[in-house]
Amino acid sequence: SQTIHQWPATLVQPVGSPLSLECTVEGTSNPNLYWYRQAAGRGLQLLFYSVGIGQISSEVPQNLSASRPQDRQFILSSKKLLLSDSGFYLCAWSGTRGQPQHFGDGTRLSIL
Amino acid sequence: RKEVEQDPGPFNVPEGATVAFNCTYSNSASQSFFWYRQDCRKEPKLLMSVYSSGNEDGRFTAQLNRASQYISLLIRDSKLSDSATYLCAVNINDYKLSFGAGTTVTVRA
Repeated sequence: SQTIHQWPATLVQPVGSPLSLECTVEGTSNPNLYWYRQAAGRGLQLLFYSVGIGQISSEVPQNLSASRPQDRQFILSSKKLLLSDSGFYLCAWSGTRGQPQHFGDGTRLSIL
Repeated sequence: RKEVEQDPGPFNVPEGATVAFNCTYSNSASQSFFWYRQDCRKEPKLLMSVYSSGNEDGRFTAQLNRASQYISLLIRDSKLSDSATYLCAVNINDYKLSFGAGTTVTVRA
């Protein structure tokens, strides 16, 4: 069966520091991969998605970036974090068209 | 108009009651519909896919109304453990889903 791993679960970072969140999927090949952010009490905001290695689509302008160095690995990065980057970051994967997305456990990021 | 809209609630219901709520979507070309459950400070988890004929999974029934562009979720015989936020999701193209902001359900003893 397919599993998705996301880490770390919680992260506290100072303003201006870099960020790297990693997500890996097991048990499937060529998944579609997604990064979402959920602010407290709000809906899911799609940040990036990828349909293949090296293919990244950005949904909102921001100081975040994403990379997909391997088929089942998706990385969310920032060179300098802002206070507004605080939130709950979720990685997700899906299979072929029409299939639902499945989420990792999420990373709760607090910027101080 | 938002792509997907939900009544935020909260719906406060006693144990054993039936609760139902809808989710409207704006893209008439959407083909895939899902309900997710999200507990406080946790990730959304797929509850059920919504098929055109409607489908049932235990105490949960999902229906699709294409003419009026909404999907519904009905929970029968509510349990305390059903307390959560329920998110609907609708595909907007081959790769992306648009999620509603969620409907909060609280089941009280």
